[in-house]
Amino acid sequence: GENVGLHLPTLSVQEGDNSIINCAYSNSASDYFIWYKQESGKGPQFIIDIRSNMDKRQGQRVTVLLNKTVKHLSLQIAATQPGDSAVYFCAETVAGGTSYGKLTFGQGTILTVHP
Amino acid sequence: NAGVMQNPRHLVRRRGQEARLRCSPMKGHSHVYWYRQLPEEGLKFMVYLQKENIIDESGMPKERFSAEFPKEGPSILRIQQVVRGDSAAYFCASSPRSGSGNQPQHFGDGTRLSIL
Repeated sequence: GENVGLHLPTLSVQEGDNSIINCAYSNSASDYFIWYKQESGKGPQFIIDIRSNMDKRQGQRVTVLLNKTVKHLSLQIAATQPGDSAVYFCAETVAGGTSYGKLTFGQGTILTVHP
Repeated sequence: NAGVMQNPRHLVRRRGQEARLRCSPMKGHSHVYWYRQLPEEGLKFMVYLQKENIIDESGMPKERFSAEFPKEGPSILRIQQVVRGDSAAYFCASSPRSGSGNQPQHFGDGTRLSIL
């Protein structure tokens, strides 16, 4: 039969607004987290990462917040631009050990920025 | 400073044929990961390789799928006797060392495999 995909969460914002994209991760042993941006027809592009010994990290126009208590990760994008429109994925991994750094990806959120 | 290079970008095969997907990691990276992505889903881990070694293939189907990363040349993901359910985007990522504790994986733009 036909494989019907899941409908991804969507977030629509106006240009210039701030965007917040949320992610719940599953493995309490995960200690390294990455946000990726994926545009249509392309591979995931690294945005920002954070280790579990931190709860906040800032980049250029982006901030990642980590709440290990509730296993929640968020990505904040300041002054969102049309070029930010894409699907955003969080990914988690356990550095070292038998995980070998393989990534477990979240479901993804579609961000649409209206000019 | 080329990124991760994958080819072909698009591959069409008929059921029962073989598909070969190639991945050249970033310069200086000796660790390669393959992921599969179905429409509207996140990427799912398949296999992790270092040069001449398969380290973790826990995400790869036991039959028809194989991967290699020879001493010379690109990493190859091979799918034998393809079926319609193999239609997906296949992404390769590389990192300079294992564990990715301090280094994010960098991805290629994928191979979109379509099975007729």
